[in-house]
Amino acid sequence: DVKVTQSSRYLVKRTGEKVFLECVQDMDHENMFWYRQDPGLGLRLIYFSYDVKMKEKGDIPEGYSVSREKKERFSLILESASTNQTSMYLCASSPPGTSYNEQFFGPGTRLTVL
Amino acid sequence: DQQVKQNSPSLSVQEGRISILNCDYTNSMFDYFLWYKKYPAEGPTFLISISSIKDKNEDGRFTVFLNKSAKHLSLHIVPSQPGDSAVYFCAASADGGGADGLTFGKGTHLIIQP
Repeated sequence: DVKVTQSSRYLVKRTGEKVFLECVQDMDHENMFWYRQDPGLGLRLIYFSYDVKMKEKGDIPEGYSVSREKKERFSLILESASTNQTSMYLCASSPPGTSYNEQFFGPGTRLTVL
Repeated sequence: DQQVKQNSPSLSVQEGRISILNCDYTNSMFDYFLWYKKYPAEGPTFLISISSIKDKNEDGRFTVFLNKSAKHLSLHIVPSQPGDSAVYFCAASADGGGADGLTFGKGTHLIIQP
């Protein structure tokens, strides 16, 4: 059974704090992604990574950074959290290949920045 | 600029009837389309996909239709069941290989009424 896990389901932080969101997958997938989901906006891609130590900006990378030191782990970092980063954060992974690119999602982390 | 559009924020359907969820896209480079289903407080789960070389893909109660000339796809669920009540996201990929992130629509909240 494929699994993508996220370190926290709910998180409350204060403005200006440094926040780490961790994601781990056990499927040996090369590709990993971070999205945020906001009401009325759907899912928006923040960053993705197609290999260890590789990262690419998505559609809304501002205010975020990522780290991929190991294949199974992809971390999202909010260097200085702001209230507009209050959101549901979703991590996903997918295998490579041209015919199979469904992404498997974790349960999400609901982050509130006060 | 929204490249994947789901113009109906919500849809209410009677149990046993057909649910039709629509999605339009603007990027002609998209070559792979997916539908995800999301329950509250859970990550999205993959439902069904279709490659741009096909116009129909069926999996049990779920069928996705693709009209490339109209840049339109639809998800049909028949018969609709109470457990189908969820938010449905249409997503598209331009690389076919899954290394890049998916572009999601804003979602349609499907409500199945008894």
